[in-house]
Amino acid sequence: NAGVTQTPKFQVLKTGQSMTLQCAQDMNHNSMYWYRQDPGMGLRLIYYSASEGTTDKGEVPNGYNVSRLNKREFSLRLESAAPSQTSVYFCASSESRQVNTGELFFGEGSRLTVL
Amino acid sequence: GIQVEQSPPDLILQEGANSTLRCNFSDSVNNLQWFHQNPWGQLINLFYIPSGTKQNGRLSATTVATERYSLLYISSSQTTDSGVYFCAVGHNQGGKLIFGQGTELSVKP
Repeated sequence: NAGVTQTPKFQVLKTGQSMTLQCAQDMNHNSMYWYRQDPGMGLRLIYYSASEGTTDKGEVPNGYNVSRLNKREFSLRLESAAPSQTSVYFCASSESRQVNTGELFFGEGSRLTVL
Repeated sequence: GIQVEQSPPDLILQEGANSTLRCNFSDSVNNLQWFHQNPWGQLINLFYIPSGTKQNGRLSATTVATERYSLLYISSSQTTDSGVYFCAVGHNQGGKLIFGQGTELSVKP
């Protein structure tokens, strides 16, 4: 039982390049989330998906797109990476369908550097 | 929106000591969780505790929702307890989970 799995763990991009962060959970959870963590800014919600087929913006969605491919998988795409997107990205999931309820479980994080 | 304040911001302990971390919040909540971010960056669930008391080994947590605070107790601390402890709360009127700024704990051997 792996929980929440993110790939890749580390990535270095040049400004303007695109990439997709993959996330999969094997807990049959309904909700999935993408957060970014920056020094002094704490954890900030980028996008979330309360159920398969639905996605909603969080507090910092600009520059990102997401896809809830199925119940297990939730990907985050950077179409044209910028240095301001250098961060550690966390995927999370919850059994609850409501964004602020239920226990949240995190993946191990993906460290992205944009040069 | 709901405000979350954690204290103290930093804490240094000698191995074997006990500690209490506090999370204050400004409004009614229906969700409160404690997480430990270890030195490798992993965020680990400690407790899901919107109210009441729970214990897991050397760690325990109490949330007094009516008085808008939660406490995390660490007893007989070990060096592996080092890292940052976050509380996160969800307002009972909806909206996203709000994370506190964390308490950075360092346990010295």
